[in-house]
Amino acid sequence: AQRVTQPEKLLSVFKGAPVELKCNYSYSGSPELFWYVQYSRQRLQLLLRHISRESIKGFTADLNKGETSFHLKKPFAQEEDSAMYYCALSTNVNYGGSQGNLIFGKGTKLSVKP
Amino acid sequence: GAGVSQTPSNKVTEKGKYVELRCDPISGHTALYWYRQSLGQGPEFLIYFQGTGAADDSGLPNDRFFAVRPEGSVSTLKIQRTERGDSAVYLCASSPTNYPDTQYFGPGTRLTVL
Repeated sequence: AQRVTQPEKLLSVFKGAPVELKCNYSYSGSPELFWYVQYSRQRLQLLLRHISRESIKGFTADLNKGETSFHLKKPFAQEEDSAMYYCALSTNVNYGGSQGNLIFGKGTKLSVKP
Repeated sequence: GAGVSQTPSNKVTEKGKYVELRCDPISGHTALYWYRQSLGQGPEFLIYFQGTGAADDSGLPNDRFFAVRPEGSVSTLKIQRTERGDSAVYLCASSPTNYPDTQYFGPGTRLTVL
């Protein structure tokens, strides 16, 4: 079954510390992976996607097919990074998946303390 | 430009009643998705439209749930005989094309069934 697992419900770090939000997925085909973020009182928005290989707001994520992981990292956390982070998987239609619907993890709440 | 909008922002209803939730996607976006987010969970896929047709409704939990998009723009999610377990935030997202484009989310409708 297709699944996304985010093992940490809450991650609390101090400003300037490195951050790693974990994401593991289960999918037999070729996945498309995303990180979405929801800041307080704002709507869910895309942070980054693995195919673009961009660094957004200092965050990066590398797809590791061997470990089926897509962990989100930032070397120096800022207070404005405090938010809810969701890892999401989009399945490839050629492997019988749906055309673009996202499978989300339960999310990790990141709290960056001053 | 205008993002995805959803109305109402909040809906309180009694068990057994019928409700309609509306989504206005970004102009020109052909793909439209509905998700449901229960407390402490990530968004869960309900249904996907490509144009006017429902390309994938595999996420609808039962036949009390139905959605339409008659002109390929605005969509309405309809829930009959609401149950307390239907209480959740209902999210709508749109994207310019289908897989694997970025999805732009609306603010959601919080449905409470008493």
